[in-house]
This record gives sequence, structure tokens and C-alpha cells, in this order.
Amino acid sequence: GIQVEQSPPDLILQEGANSTLRCNFSDSVNNLQWFHQNPWGQLINLFYIPSGTKQNGRLSATTVATERYSLLYISSSQTTDSGVYFCAVDRGSTLGRLYFGRGTQLTVWP
Amino acid sequence: DAGVIQSPRHEVTEMGQEVTLRCKPISGHDYLFWYRQTMMRGLELLIYFNNNVPIDDSGMPEDRFSAKMPNASFSTLKIQPSEPRDSAVYFCASSLRETQYFGPGTRLLVL
Repeated sequence: GIQVEQSPPDLILQEGANSTLRCNFSDSVNNLQWFHQNPWGQLINLFYIPSGTKQNGRLSATTVATERYSLLYISSSQTTDSGVYFCAVDRGSTLGRLYFGRGTQLTVWP
Repeated sequence: DAGVIQSPRHEVTEMGQEVTLRCKPISGHDYLFWYRQTMMRGLELLIYFNNNVPIDDSGMPEDRFSAKMPNASFSTLKIQPSEPRDSAVYFCASSLRETQYFGPGTRLLVL
């Protein structure tokens, strides 16, 4: 399967700080999604972004498909942003299986 | 909509017992996915269905695992017999288009 590497593995921030999470993948993809897993284990889809840039409030994401990476930006972080952020990709159909990275554990302190 | 519903939320069983996990996808979604999350292996896809038909079961670890989707609103993942290494959180997800929506998961502990 396709390899997905996320960095950094851990990130600790003070509330209000900005951060950038990175996802590198080993092959061209037709499907790339970012998820947030909160401290209670719930997985929430943040973005479907196989290419280009999207923004949703304080979060934005950019995927440079030709260079095989995606970035997730979190601005003015809040304690509720804590959790694990996963990048998931597939090179096949936009529908179907996803290969997940190991995630970035984000902790935001008040 | 109520979102993806999974039951039970927690399951503790003894090695050798049969375990059945249940999932109700979001109404109208035609894709259903079963994932497993462990510390060692992370999140991995076990199987997915499209219009109730299994499309890719290459992630199912072995014959002890089976999954069915008898209709558009219900799916089961069965482990028989269960082993301690099956302990994990099992997620069900559904989608209509690209975005996958996850259920709350079932935390399984096999003693």
C-alpha cells in the first residue's frame, strides 16, 4: 500500500499559537483527507483535499499533489484543538479505502 | 441525522468467545467501512462495502474475522473465536461521496 508519513509526531503549544502539521505520501493520490481524533476517541473529518487549498475557520489545508505532501494549518489554537490529527490517502478512486498515517498528537495548554 | 451508530460501545470477553460488532450507517450513504485502531498498527481498514456488496476485504486479518451487510442500514463484524491480540477499537464509517464519517467506535478487550 501507499506510505503516509506525518510530522511532527508530537506537538505542544500554548493557547493562541499557530501550528503547521505535515503529511508526506509515497505515491500520487486521488483522495486525501484530514481527520481530528479528540481525546474521547471520536474521529471527525476536517477536509477532503486531494489538491489545492481549503479553509474552514481557524483551520486550513493545502495539498501539493505534484510534490506529494499536504499541510494542515491551525491558527490561534485553543485547548479544544487537542487530540490526534490524521492524514489519510488513496491513489485509486476518490471513494473507497484510505491509508492512514500514524498521526500528530497535539496538546494545547491554556 | 444521528450519525453513524455503533454497538456495543465497550465489550469485554474471554478468549475463544464469539464477538459481534454492529453498525448503522448514516441514512442514504452507500459506502460502509470497518477500521481497527491499535497502538501498534494505527488505523487500518479491514473491509468496505458499496451498496451492501463487499468491495475490498484485503485488510481482514484472518478467517476468524467476517463481515456482512444484509441491508443498507446495518452491518456486522464478527470475530470467532476471539483472541487477546484482537483487542482494539473498531470503527465503522460511512460515506456518500468522498468524505468519510466515523462512528464512536467499539472498544474491545479480549482477556
